[in-house]
Amino acid sequence: NAGVMQNPRHLVRRRGQEARLRCSPMKGHSHVYWYRQLPEEGLKFMVYLQKENIIDESGMPKERFSAEFPKEGPSILRIQQVVRGDSAAYFCASSPQQGDGYTFGSGTRLTVV
Amino acid sequence: KNQVEQSPQSLIILEGKNCTLQCNYTVSPFSNLRWYKQDTGRGPVSLTIMTFSENTKSNGRYTATLDADTKQSSLHITASQLSDSASYICVVSKDSGYALNFGKGTSLLVTP
Repeated sequence: NAGVMQNPRHLVRRRGQEARLRCSPMKGHSHVYWYRQLPEEGLKFMVYLQKENIIDESGMPKERFSAEFPKEGPSILRIQQVVRGDSAAYFCASSPQQGDGYTFGSGTRLTVV
Repeated sequence: KNQVEQSPQSLIILEGKNCTLQCNYTVSPFSNLRWYKQDTGRGPVSLTIMTFSENTKSNGRYTATLDADTKQSSLHITASQLSDSASYICVVSKDSGYALNFGKGTSLLVTP
């Protein structure tokens, strides 16, 4: 079991471009969570998804950010028209049941230049 | 204000020594408290998880304590090793369980 796989590990985007972050959950895990870690800050909850459903997106900015977890394929966190303040580490976690047995990926480090 | 506060912010100890990290939280209603270890450039890895009724839990050289009345927890590391150098993060979840509240972590450096 390869664990939670995130790619890319590092992503550099110019202001105004789009960033797409991918997360493949552990085998058998149908619950996916995205967290953001700003420099010198703790991880902050963004969104919780199950297959084809967004359960809770209360931590995600209302504009420019979206997330999906399709029936087939990885979960995608999409950031449109990136700004410098979006530079952060984005972590994905998955679990077999809601809130139980969390496993985190290694994160994607987004740098907006 | 962050609902999970950790101290100290950073700590340097000699290899072989013990140390204790502190966590205070205000998250309510409380479901469980976890301690994670995060190596530089990696995702957090779970060390212990405790529910309301548990006072202490060990995982090898790591021992976590929980006082749910005072809303305090500690992580004690025994006989530290160089590989213990990492950020140690206290994480508290509410009854909903899935949205974790992270502290900023204590950055531990173990030196030879």
